[in-house]
Amino acid sequence: QVQLQESGPGLVKPSETLSLTCTVSGGSMTSYYWTWIRQPAGKGLEWIGRIYSNGVTNYDPSLKSRVTLSVDTSKKQFSLRLSSVTAADTAIYYCAKVLYSSCGGGSCSYFDSWGQGTLVTVSS
Amino acid sequence: QSALTQPASVSGSPGQSITISCTGTSSDVGAYDYVSWYQHHPGKAPKLIIFDVNNRPSGVSDRFSGSKSGNTASLTVSGLQAEDEADYFCSSYTTSSTLVVFGGGTKLTVL
Repeated sequence: QVQLQESGPGLVKPSETLSLTCTVSGGSMTSYYWTWIRQPAGKGLEWIGRIYSNGVTNYDPSLKSRVTLSVDTSKKQFSLRLSSVTAADTAIYYCAKVLYSSCGGGSCSYFDSWGQGTLVTVSS
Repeated sequence: QSALTQPASVSGSPGQSITISCTGTSSDVGAYDYVSWYQHHPGKAPKLIIFDVNNRPSGVSDRFSGSKSGNTASLTVSGLQAEDEADYFCSSYTTSSTLVVFGGGTKLTVL
């Protein structure tokens, strides 16, 4: 099973861009979807978006205008950029791997490897 | 407020069984058999324990089982052990463009 580790600043100022990277070890990135999920304090998990190993992306509609995902399989990393952040974006951010390769529909909604999560606080 | 509704907490004694419910709608839990459950010990990476409503990934104890009826999915943990004390959250594929929705999580306490 692969291991994932999130990295990036723990504090971001309002209106600025949140940037996180997830480093993958112990397996290949090829032919899998890679996902970002977040959990605001006291709330449930929220799916942010996913990126396939070839760079194809899907985003949650509510965040689509502010989110950009990218992948660098040679570095075994994928990244999240969230622009124009506000306090509402304060959360624990997780990166995760989809269970199946070449999945479709609902079978893409299972995540078998997760990072431990990183807290990002939006504050001046 | 989470898309899927779970009880905030459940508890049981060692050896007993507990069930955690996960209630959604006809657009998610009730629409497909794409329900999953995760175990999360705080500070650690969440762990997939159930997918496709009632399938376990390799290596997951058979003390964990899942089921679904209508818009409500359930996770049963039998033969409770101290190590089962954790947060559990459900997830479902959804017909909306969000792709996947989650429950708010349930804290399981082993008394």
